[in-house]
Amino acid sequence: QLHLQESGPGLVKPSETLSLTCSVSGGSISSSRNYWGWLRQPPGKALEWIGSVFIGAQRFYNPSLKSRVSISEDTSKNQFSLTLRSVTAADTAIYYCVKEYADGCPAGYWGQGILVTVSS
Amino acid sequence: QSALTQPPSASGSPGQSVTISCTGTSSDIGAYNYVSWFQQHPGKAPKLLIYAVTERPSGVPDRFSGSKSGNTASLTVSGLQAEDEADYYCSSFVVGSFVFGAGTKVSVL
Repeated sequence: QLHLQESGPGLVKPSETLSLTCSVSGGSISSSRNYWGWLRQPPGKALEWIGSVFIGAQRFYNPSLKSRVSISEDTSKNQFSLTLRSVTAADTAIYYCVKEYADGCPAGYWGQGILVTVSS
Repeated sequence: QSALTQPPSASGSPGQSVTISCTGTSSDIGAYNYVSWFQQHPGKAPKLLIYAVTERPSGVPDRFSGSKSGNTASLTVSGLQAEDEADYYCSSFVVGSFVFGAGTKVSVL
């Protein structure tokens, strides 16, 4: 049974960097032939795709966030991470790590989500 | 890219059907058969209901069905049940990215 779990600080100051990690159990991120990624959801608002990576290969980011975001992986720990720089209050959201379900479906498996608030 | 357009709300009585539309453009929904639908209950992570326009992951009841015509995709929930009351989001692939709708709140009367 695949399990994804987000971790990281729940509070980040404006202009600083948001860093989250997704720990995966029940499957190997390096042997999976799927994309792994992040989505977010501001409180009471819609889902937004942040980016997806094929471990060790291609990575795609939301054009509106591309200048501030990166996704990396640590295959030895079976984890992948999100970095979002120069955050503002608009980046306050629940952040979900996900695994692609099939071609063209970015999120078939979800973590429980982690609320990150940007505030001084 | 612009968000997909969904009606903010929809409703139906138990046993009835409700259909939610999701309108995009010729660059997203109209260009690819990569439309997904997600169900989200309050305080929970979203759950995948439909992928590739019409396909259901194992475990999703066949009461949920998807379709597409031109730049508009639709999700139909047949035989509405109380537990279907939730928010529903559509998503489409668009050249190296994904775009989502604003969500539709379905109420079971």
